[in-house]
Amino acid sequence: NAGVTQTPKFQVLKTGQSMTLQCAQDMNHNSMYWYRQDPGMGLRLIYYSASEGTTDKGEVPNGYNVSRLNKREFSLRLESAAPSQTSVYFCASSIQDYSNQPQHFGDGTRLSIL
Amino acid sequence: KQEVTQIPAALSVPEGENLVLNCSFTDSAIYNLQWFRQDPGKGLTSLLLIQSSQREQTSGRLNASLDKSSGRSTLYIAASQPGDSATYLCAVRTQGAQKLVFGQGTRLTINP
Repeated sequence: NAGVTQTPKFQVLKTGQSMTLQCAQDMNHNSMYWYRQDPGMGLRLIYYSASEGTTDKGEVPNGYNVSRLNKREFSLRLESAAPSQTSVYFCASSIQDYSNQPQHFGDGTRLSIL
Repeated sequence: KQEVTQIPAALSVPEGENLVLNCSFTDSAIYNLQWFRQDPGKGLTSLLLIQSSQREQTSGRLNASLDKSSGRSTLYIAASQPGDSATYLCAVRTQGAQKLVFGQGTRLTINP
């Protein structure tokens, strides 16, 4: 029962470097989400994909891009990392967006930008 | 704009006690409300989801209630155990909104 799998679990980057966070779910869910969690700010939605082939901006999309590669995979890319993007990033999925079904979360990627 | 507040930020109780965690929200036009648990270094685990038309949901020793008119939800934990120690987060989906709005969480410690 893998659920939502995120890679890598930890990463340290230098300012200006780029990287892609990977997320895959094996629950045949239609909708996927990327959040960031910061002390004092709670969880905030970065981007989401209501269904395969669609992506939409969330609350804090600046500095990020996403790709819904297929139904299982949803990646988050930082093109030019900044210290303000130091955070814990969570991927989540649900059967259907805007439904009375819960979101299922991965264990997160802890990202530090120096 | 929906705002979700959880008070207290931290709570410590002895094992065996029944306890209540609180969540308040500013916009009563909600679609649903979810309670999550987060263990240190881990992701969120969904505990209970209450639909707008429901007043409560139960799962084992957990019971969540919803009062839209007062903008409040409570999570009741019966016969608390050390394994219940975690941070509990409340999240609200407002009708027509694209996202969940999360509270800051209550960090719960159950002392043996």
